[in-house]
Amino acid sequence: KAGVTQTPRYLIKTRGQQVTLSCSPISGHRSVSWYQQTPGQGLQFLFEYFSETQRNKGNFPGRFSGRQFSNSRSEMNVSTLELGDSALYLCASSLGEDYTFGSGTRLTVV
Amino acid sequence: AQSVAQPEDQVNVAEGNPLTVKCTYSVSGNPYLFWYVQYPNRGLQFLLKYITGDNLVKGSYGFEAEFNKSQTSFHLKKPSALVSDSALYFCAVRGSGGSQGNLIFGKGTKLSVKP
Repeated sequence: KAGVTQTPRYLIKTRGQQVTLSCSPISGHRSVSWYQQTPGQGLQFLFEYFSETQRNKGNFPGRFSGRQFSNSRSEMNVSTLELGDSALYLCASSLGEDYTFGSGTRLTVV
Repeated sequence: AQSVAQPEDQVNVAEGNPLTVKCTYSVSGNPYLFWYVQYPNRGLQFLLKYITGDNLVKGSYGFEAEFNKSQTSFHLKKPSALVSDSALYFCAVRGSGGSQGNLIFGKGTKLSVKP
């Protein structure tokens, strides 16, 4: 079966710009969660969506937002990019206790 | 609050020797525990999980983990390490209550297996 697809794989943006990342979950998985991975902070939870509703949110500023569509695909948006937003952004698709991660989007802010 | 600790930033092992990557956790209620592996510039690959049942869990690529409730530990083990096992390993616990949809990760342990 197809895995979790994240697009794009790499992005380079300038400070102050905004960016949208996409995650297509495994078919049948209704929960999608997002994580930020940096060398200093490790893996940090951003938010989780289930059936188009944000079910849980981590401790990130309001510049980070997300949404989920009726087909369970999810997007996350970061506005007014800062250098510190440079990271690997991972999404996970889950069903019950099974969590499957995508390959991530590497965002570099210059 | 739930938390996971991986006390070692790096573990070095010779090929063919057994390996252990340590993990301790703190949760309210019954823990749902996971191990993932990450290769450079890649996402997380699932190795194994403990939900309930036998304390010894067998997973992918010959890895296993032992759940110890009294010590709140979930150490990852492999009887004979391979050079190709060199990677970053993450222990995680599923959130409880309103956080059941997300995983809480340890900081990761870099495993280096030398020939």
